[in-house]
Amino acid sequence: DSGVTQTPKHLITATGQRVTLRCSPRSGDLSVYWYQQSLDQGLQFLIQYYNGEERAKGNILERFSAQQFPDLHSELNLSSLELGDSALYFCASSVIGGQGTEAFFGQGTRLTVV
Amino acid sequence: AQSVAQPEDQVNVAEGNPLTVKCTYSVSGNPYLFWYVQYPNRGLQFLLKYITGDNLVKGSYGFEAEFNKSQTSFHLKKPSALVSDSALYFCAVRDIGAGNMLTFGGGTRLMVKP
Repeated sequence: DSGVTQTPKHLITATGQRVTLRCSPRSGDLSVYWYQQSLDQGLQFLIQYYNGEERAKGNILERFSAQQFPDLHSELNLSSLELGDSALYFCASSVIGGQGTEAFFGQGTRLTVV
Repeated sequence: AQSVAQPEDQVNVAEGNPLTVKCTYSVSGNPYLFWYVQYPNRGLQFLLKYITGDNLVKGSYGFEAEFNKSQTSFHLKKPSALVSDSALYFCAVRDIGAGNMLTFGGGTRLMVKP
């Protein structure tokens, strides 16, 4: 168990809908990362938050947004969903996001858009 | 931007034989390199990392990795493979120019046959 908790584990929704994925980082970790894993594109970095503030942004669509709350949990909001958004979404956390710091991953949320 | 490449989509090895999973990297400064493993329907688990120091890094489950600066490689190795090592392996590098997020290679599926 990595200590990173993601809910829900599975989500099935229709095209055009909006969903929220939740992540609770390991105790004491200030940095949260979101990744998307699809079959054809591997692990794609979406966005990073550090202590409530956005730190880095990757290939995140405008339909997607995220935030990190004062208690350090994070939510990833996906709207106007398309079939191609079906993927595994991972959250990871690390202590401070320093260069030599490993990140610990949750078990992911499998999103299926039908 | 920093990047990693895993040239093999799949590696097949017999149980008891040594295994190598290859990774090459491209960075503009000092490399901070990581290996993760993903079992089916699970999140990524941290195996080991290279920050500085000895070129041979030891990690979890008997895995080790050899850092080679001249060849810009960070190959994952294990002296004697187990069937239970069958999984998807990812090499990653810290992208210090983008909030220290981890950039992943495309992954290598390791199949260990009895």
